[in-house]
Amino acid sequence: GQQLNQSPQSMFIQEGEDVSMNCTSSSIFNTWLWYKQDPGEGPVLLIALYKAGELTSNGRLTAQFGITRKDSFLNISASIPSDVGIYFCAGQYAGKSTFGDGTTLTVKP
Amino acid sequence: DTAVSQTPKYLVTQMGNDKSIKCEQNLGHDTMYWYKQDSKKFLKIMFSYNNKELIINETVPNRFSPKSPDKAHLNLHINSLELGDSAVYFCASSPYEGQGRYGYTFGSGTRLTVV
Repeated sequence: GQQLNQSPQSMFIQEGEDVSMNCTSSSIFNTWLWYKQDPGEGPVLLIALYKAGELTSNGRLTAQFGITRKDSFLNISASIPSDVGIYFCAGQYAGKSTFGDGTTLTVKP
Repeated sequence: DTAVSQTPKYLVTQMGNDKSIKCEQNLGHDTMYWYKQDSKKFLKIMFSYNNKELIINETVPNRFSPKSPDKAHLNLHINSLELGDSAVYFCASSPYEGQGRYGYTFGSGTRLTVV
């Protein structure tokens, strides 16, 4: 089946720093999505990308759909304490969705 | 106004028992899902229903049986619970099959602990 490799697995950063994480696959996807999961809650959609090469922003978040359609990255600028959580990428192809195994972000004030 | 609501939030039960988790969405979505999140936080699809019809049934023990009485509800019944069933179970919904443009809307999860 399709697999998504998400890296890094975890990050410990200082408040104010920028963050970058990515997701790669050996398979192509038509849609890439990024979710954030707060402790004790379900994942919440942050950004969805539909076209190879697409770059989309949502506030301090920027995500890109890789040209090869096999990867995507998410950047968070000027991190704040409430950015802590688990970030999941997800890819979709032919009606089938696959989730990455998450990047856990810790922000030290 | 919770969009996808699951009950209960926490469930602690003994091995061998039978239990159910309920899910309801008020978004008017056609498709609903059950995901299992293990201790390593990996999200694994279990089932999906589109307008009450089962469309995805991943390799899940047949002790797990989903039921969708209407497109706004998808319940999960688990027979003969085992220790390995301990996990967080998420219900999710989407306007149509697949994540598409809008992604999934997840519930807040049911933490199942089998002792």
